[in-house]
Amino acid sequence: GENVEQHPSTLSVQEGDSAVIKCTYSDSASNYFPWYKQELGKGPQLIIDIRSNVGEKKDQRIAVTLNKTAKHFSLHITETQPEDSAVYFCAAKDSSYKLIFGSGTRLLVRP
Amino acid sequence: DGGITQSPKYLFRKEGQNVTLSCEQNLNHDAMYWYRQDPGQGLRLIYYSQIVNDFQKGDIAEGYSVSREKKESFPLTVTSAQKNPTAFYLCASSIQGANSYEQYFGPGTRLTVT
Repeated sequence: GENVEQHPSTLSVQEGDSAVIKCTYSDSASNYFPWYKQELGKGPQLIIDIRSNVGEKKDQRIAVTLNKTAKHFSLHITETQPEDSAVYFCAAKDSSYKLIFGSGTRLLVRP
Repeated sequence: DGGITQSPKYLFRKEGQNVTLSCEQNLNHDAMYWYRQDPGQGLRLIYYSQIVNDFQKGDIAEGYSVSREKKESFPLTVTSAQKNPTAFYLCASSIQGANSYEQYFGPGTRLTVT
């Protein structure tokens, strides 16, 4: 079955700098890759997603890139702000409707 | 207000008791899911349901049971057979379309069993 690995587990950046979180997946048939932001004590919030027929997608300060050949995808956050501090999860949809999640990255943006 | 509600936010039970967690959605989504989240870990799928009166086991279904009698509701029962029930439980829903994969999550229920 699908397996998703996420790195790094923690990331600390200065406000205004960029942050990059990387994920790899194992199932070449996976075709949908969402990213979620989870604040303390809350449910995950979908922030951006990408499908396998697209290589990059941007939404204001966040972007996701997908390399199908290497089976990895990344989340890029530019001009980070303190409110970006949270845990971020990547996921990959397997051949069914199930999402397989990475283990999460705790992002800290230092003011 | 459209969305997914989970109640209660915090739940405390004694070991050996069954407990049922509520999940309701008014998004008219066909599919619903239950995940378990442990500290420092990702989300693991317990059960999912793609249509009323049908559900499938996820990766960690042992010690849990579900029902799907209504489209809007997908309650999860944590039974006394679940060895480590203390966790954060998340419910999600999605449209069941050929190209619709987005899952939306509720606020979660934190269950503590002592």
